[in-house]
Amino acid sequence: EVQLVESGGGLVQPGGSLRLSCAASGFTFSSYWMSWVRQAPGKGLEWVANIKQDGSEKYYVDSVKGRFTISRDNAKNSLYLQMNSLRAEDTAVYYCARDLDSSGYYSGYFDYWGQGTLVTVSS
Amino acid sequence: EIVLTQSPATLSLSPGERATLSCRASQSVSSYLAWYQQKPGQAPRLLIYDASNRATGIPARFSGSGSGTDFTLTISSLEPEDFAVYYCQQRSNFGQGTRLEIK
Repeated sequence: EVQLVESGGGLVQPGGSLRLSCAASGFTFSSYWMSWVRQAPGKGLEWVANIKQDGSEKYYVDSVKGRFTISRDNAKNSLYLQMNSLRAEDTAVYYCARDLDSSGYYSGYFDYWGQGTLVTVSS
Repeated sequence: EIVLTQSPATLSLSPGERATLSCRASQSVSSYLAWYQQKPGQAPRLLIYDASNRATGIPARFSGSGSGTDFTLTISSLEPEDFAVYYCQQRSNFGQGTRLEIK
C-alpha cells in the first residue's frame, strides 16, 4: 500500500525556519518525481515545488523561490522541504504528493497524497 | 502563466442528479488536465487525468471531456459521497474549485 506521511509542521514566527519531511512507503520512491502542494486555511490548492527522481532537477513557484528548498533522500525514502524566511502567507497545510508516472517522465498529475502537515506562521 | 477558471463556484444538486463542472484555461493546454476531489479534512484525490482518463479505482459515473481551453467533469448520477470540492489542474496550476453541495 502506498503511503506518504508528512511531519515537521508547527507554529513558527515570521522570519523563522521549518523543515518538513515526507516518509514514503509501499512503492519504489526513487522512480518518481515528487512534489509539495499547499493549501491555506479555507483556500484552494497551490503547487509549491517538485523534484526529479535523482534530485537533479528542482522547480519552485515564484513566491517561494530563494526561501524554500526541496530535497530528497532515496536511501531513506524521504522527501523534504526546507522553509526559510517564513511569512504569514506561507501558513497552510503542506502535502507531499507523488507523480502519476514512474517512467521518468513528469506527468504533472498527483496520484497519491499524504495527509498533510499544518504550518502556521504567526507572532 | 496559465490561469484555470472553474464554474460555477458552487453547484447545488440532489443525489441521483447529473453534475456538470467546467474548467476553462487561459490558453490551450491540449489534453493535459486533471480533476481532483477533496472532502473536508482530507487530501485531494485524483479522479481524471489527461482530460478523460479515469484514475485507478474511480467509479465509472465520473467522466471527463474537453481539450484545448474548455473542459468538463461530469458525474452521471450523484451519490451522497460525491458532495465535495472539485479542482481542475494543469501542471503547476490549479483552478479555484467548485463546491458541490446537497440541495
